[in-house]
Amino acid sequence: NAGVMQNPRHLVRRRGQEARLRCSPMKGHSHVYWYRQLPEEGLKFMVYLQKENIIDESGMPKERFSAEFPKEGPSILRIQQVVRGDSAAYFCASSLEPGLLQETQYFGPGTRLLVL
Amino acid sequence: AQRVTQPEKLLSVFKGAPVELKCNYSYSGSPELFWYVQYSRQRLQLLLRHISRESIKGFTADLNKGETSFHLKKPFAQEEDSAMYYCALIVSSNYKLTFGKGTLLTVNP
Repeated sequence: NAGVMQNPRHLVRRRGQEARLRCSPMKGHSHVYWYRQLPEEGLKFMVYLQKENIIDESGMPKERFSAEFPKEGPSILRIQQVVRGDSAAYFCASSLEPGLLQETQYFGPGTRLLVL
Repeated sequence: AQRVTQPEKLLSVFKGAPVELKCNYSYSGSPELFWYVQYSRQRLQLLLRHISRESIKGFTADLNKGETSFHLKKPFAQEEDSAMYYCALIVSSNYKLTFGKGTLLTVNP
């Protein structure tokens, strides 16, 4: 089991461009979470998805950010018209069934986005 | 809203010395507490969680509800313990992890 995969690991974009971040959960996991880590900060929850459903996007900025987890393929976090303040590390995690005792979120290596 | 505070941004100890990484939380209910670790160039991984009451790599952490703390301790630090440590919590039956800002532990030879 390769664990949670994220790509690209590093992404450089100019202001106004689009950024697409991909996350493949661990085998057998159908729950995906995205977290953002701004410089000098802890990870902050953005969105929780199951296959083809957004369950909770309360931590995601209302504009320019969107996320999906299609029936086939990886979860995608999309940032349109990036600004310098979007520069951060974006982490994806996956789990079996949240809320269960002993359930654990497994993290990917992260994508470091730099907006010039 | 819940919050996790790790007061030390950096902590440096010598090999063989005891180490304690502090974590305080604020939440009116009964959260589940975790410690995650990130070694250099590796992904974030779960170190331990309070409901397991286990010791991992010699580390232990006790939940103190009176002081709302979940400090991570190890009696004899090793060089390979050098890493970034994050304290985190989940409120009951939820899925959102709330993280502290992390403490960078350096164990010197």
